[in-house]
Amino acid sequence: SQTIHQWPATLVQPVGSPLSLECTVEGTSNPNLYWYRQAAGRGLQLLFYSVGIGQISSEVPQNLSASRPQDRQFILSSKKLLLSDSGFYLCAWSHRIPAYEQYFGPGTRLTVT
Amino acid sequence: GQSLEQPSEVTAVEGAIVQINCTYQTSGFYGLSWYQQHDGGAPTFLSYNALDGLEETGRFSSFLSRSDSYGYLLLQELQMKDSASYFCAGLLRATNKLIFGTGTLLAVQP
Repeated sequence: SQTIHQWPATLVQPVGSPLSLECTVEGTSNPNLYWYRQAAGRGLQLLFYSVGIGQISSEVPQNLSASRPQDRQFILSSKKLLLSDSGFYLCAWSHRIPAYEQYFGPGTRLTVT
Repeated sequence: GQSLEQPSEVTAVEGAIVQINCTYQTSGFYGLSWYQQHDGGAPTFLSYNALDGLEETGRFSSFLSRSDSYGYLLLQELQMKDSASYFCAGLLRATNKLIFGTGTLLAVQP
């Protein structure tokens, strides 16, 4: 069976510090991978998605970046965090087809102070 | 642009039936998915409508009308554990992207 891991679960970082969130998927090959951010009480905003190694589509201009160094590994990074980067970060994967059913990791709750 | 609107909150009584609506502003969707998210948790997939009409999965049903740019999730025999946020999401044509709706917080009361 497929599983998705995401860590850390919670993170408190000062403004201006770097960020690295990691997501790994097990039990499947060639998945689509996604990073979402969710503000408190709000919907999910798609940040990045990837259909293969090194292939990243950015959805929202910001100070975040994503990388996919291996087929089942997806990393979200920032060089300098802003207060507005606080939120709940969710990694998800889907099969190539269909992509309407996405499987989410447990999420990372990031607080930038 | 693409947007999907939902009521922000719905309240219902245990055992009742509730409908959560979703209206969207683009014709560029293959279909409509629904996700459930409990407080502090990750979203989980509930259903997908590729075609117009009603899809039934146990106590949950989902409906889509492309001509009306409208869909809904119907929850029957409500249970306390159904208290959660519910999101519709459109699968954007020619991509692998889901565009999520604004979300509806369902509160089930005893």
